[in-house]
Amino acid sequence: GDQVEQSPSALSLHEGTGSALRCNFTTTMRAVQWFRKNSRGSLINLFYLASGTKENGRLKSAFDSKERYSTLHIRDAQLEDSGTYFCAAGNYGSSGNKLIFGIGTLLSVKP
Amino acid sequence: GPKVLQIPSHQIIDMGQMVTLNCDPVSNHLYFYWYKQILGQQMEFLVNFYNGKVMEKSKLFKDQFSVERPDGSYFTLKIQPTALEDSAVYFCASSLLGGSSYEQYFGPGTRLTVL
Repeated sequence: GDQVEQSPSALSLHEGTGSALRCNFTTTMRAVQWFRKNSRGSLINLFYLASGTKENGRLKSAFDSKERYSTLHIRDAQLEDSGTYFCAAGNYGSSGNKLIFGIGTLLSVKP
Repeated sequence: GPKVLQIPSHQIIDMGQMVTLNCDPVSNHLYFYWYKQILGQQMEFLVNFYNGKVMEKSKLFKDQFSVERPDGSYFTLKIQPTALEDSAVYFCASSLLGGSSYEQYFGPGTRLTVL
């Protein structure tokens, strides 16, 4: 079936540095969402993209449907950025929408 | 941002009993969803619901599962009877309909333990 392959599974950054998370899709997806799970287990919406790139503060995301991938870039990482990040992609259509989730990336930001 | 509420946060139940999980979606949203996450595994789609009907369901949505949203009330997931393998965290989500409004917003989840 459709798959979302998320990498890396874990990432350690020092404060002030940056890196990228990536999701590859085994089939063409029409849109992607990125989430961060907070300390209470709730999913916080970071981005929704149907194409192109979006930026919000120190986070930037890109989605290429044709090339079947999406990225989440974090720059100038802060301690409070620590947590688990998920991508989820969907093929939205008349029968409804469903998201297929990646396994998540556990980000640890250290002083 | 938009908030989805779920009640209860935890539920412990004996195998074979019925359980109802409640979701209060974002007020103007029209599409509703349930996802299931077993500990250590990816979150997986169960079902979506629009205009009083199930639009799509996965193979995880067993015959013992049902969903409904009576007017003005919660969007519910009922499991009857429950089985041990139903133990998981169940997440509700909602979205608007149309164009770029498919963005889904998730509740905090209900942790279901079947004994």
